[in-house]
Amino acid sequence: DIQMTQSPSSLSAPVGDRVTITCRTSQSITSHLNWYRQRPGKAPELLIYGASRLQSGVPSRFSGSGSGTDFTLTISSLQPEDFATYYCQQSYNTPITFGQGTRLEIK
Amino acid sequence: QLQLQESGPGLVKPSETLSLTCTVSGGSISSNDYYWGWIRQPPGKDLEWIGSIYHSGSTYYSSSLKSRVTISVDMSKNQFSLKLSSVTAADMAMYYCARHHNTPQWFDPWGQGTLVTVSS
Repeated sequence: DIQMTQSPSSLSAPVGDRVTITCRTSQSITSHLNWYRQRPGKAPELLIYGASRLQSGVPSRFSGSGSGTDFTLTISSLQPEDFATYYCQQSYNTPITFGQGTRLEIK
Repeated sequence: QLQLQESGPGLVKPSETLSLTCTVSGGSISSNDYYWGWIRQPPGKDLEWIGSIYHSGSTYYSSSLKSRVTISVDMSKNQFSLKLSSVTAADMAMYYCARHHNTPQWFDPWGQGTLVTVSS
């Protein structure tokens, strides 16, 4: 199975800040990497697919980059609704696997 | 707007079979571009993909759960279902159904989730 490692596991930042979350995979997955946001008590929502493609309806403050084994999710200006947990997910091969999550808290 | 809704018992006894159904509204489960998947999340833990099904009935499962999982589809009801046999406390989790885009692969949207507790 492809192992997914996110960093940091948690961080705190104020509204308006720029933050970056990293996901590293145990083998190359080319660009088969997706990012999700999960607000407390809610289901995950797709933000980015194919490493850098913004899902329809997702605000442009979210962006993704990377290929191979190293990927990043950047939020350019944090909004109150962005304080949530973020997960990366690989779809290069089965089983589909998720990262352990990065919890983003208000500072 | 496509919506998914999980339903089923919230409490299952150890060694019994967990059965959940996902009802799809606002779109057809027979779309050629999508699989339909189940993902679970134990309290405070990571997301785990369980398996996915195509409208033809073609399935693929997580290797760690494959021996206990069956996913089926009912196109007449626009539903798909999950059965997980011989449950233990380790199977207690929030269970989500989601549309599984095939190429590239991603999950969106998701149902709101249903919490399944395993206890006698």
